[in-house]
Amino acid sequence: NAGVTQTPKFRVLKTGQSMTLLCAQDMNHEYMYWYRQDPGMGLRLIHYSVGEGTTAKGEVPDGYNVSRLKKQNFLLGLESAAPSQTSVYFCASSYLRGGVSSYNEQFFGPGTRLTVL
Amino acid sequence: EDQVTQSPEALRLQEGESSSLNCSYTVSGLRGLFWYRQDPGKGPEFLFTLYSAGEEKEKERLKATLTKKESFLHITAPKPEDSATYLCAVQAGSYGQNFVFGPGTRLSVLP
Repeated sequence: NAGVTQTPKFRVLKTGQSMTLLCAQDMNHEYMYWYRQDPGMGLRLIHYSVGEGTTAKGEVPDGYNVSRLKKQNFLLGLESAAPSQTSVYFCASSYLRGGVSSYNEQFFGPGTRLTVL
Repeated sequence: EDQVTQSPEALRLQEGESSSLNCSYTVSGLRGLFWYRQDPGKGPEFLFTLYSAGEEKEKERLKATLTKKESFLHITAPKPEDSATYLCAVQAGSYGQNFVFGPGTRLSVLP
C-alpha cells in the first residue's frame, strides 16, 4: 500500500501561470481533501470531496479549483497563480468511522512545496 | 467560530524528561479530536482520535486525554526520535467535513 501520494513534490511558478497538483490514494477511501500549510498557521482546508464526482469548498477556496473524476484521484488546479499561493499543499483521504460518534480519520500525503514568483 | 489553540509553541526537553502538550478548543459539536505528528518536510502522521470527554489512548511513550475544553498529549520519558511537531485538530458540527487544525507544538528532545 502506497497510501496517499502527491505529484509533483516541488514546483516553482511565475505569477499568472497555471498548474495542477495530483493526489492519489489506494485505500479505497470515499473522502479526499486539499489543505495548505503556512508558517505559524494550522492546516487550512481548501476543497474536499465526499465521493467520486462531488466536490465542496473548504475554508480558503478562492483561486483554486478541484476535480474528482475517479475515486482514487483528487486534482487541485491553480488557474492563475499568485504569490499569496506560495505554500506547502497536502492532500489527505479518510473514511467515516461510524458508531456512537461518527468522525473521519484523515491520512496525509507527503506534500507539494509550491513557490510562486 | 470554531478555534483550536496549542501550547506551548515550542518545547525543549532532555531525554527522559516527561512533559505534556496542550490543545484547547472551542467548537460547536465535537465529533472527534485528532493528534498528528509531523516531521520536517513530511505530511502529518495520524496518532490518535478521541471523541468523548474522559477518553484516553496510549501508544508507546504517548498518551492522549480529552476533556470538554481541552486535550493533553503526555510524553513519558521521551527519546530524541520523538522530536517533531505535534498537531491537534477537531472535526466539528453535526455533519460535514469541518476540520480545524491548531498551529502545532514543536518538540525537541535533546540526548
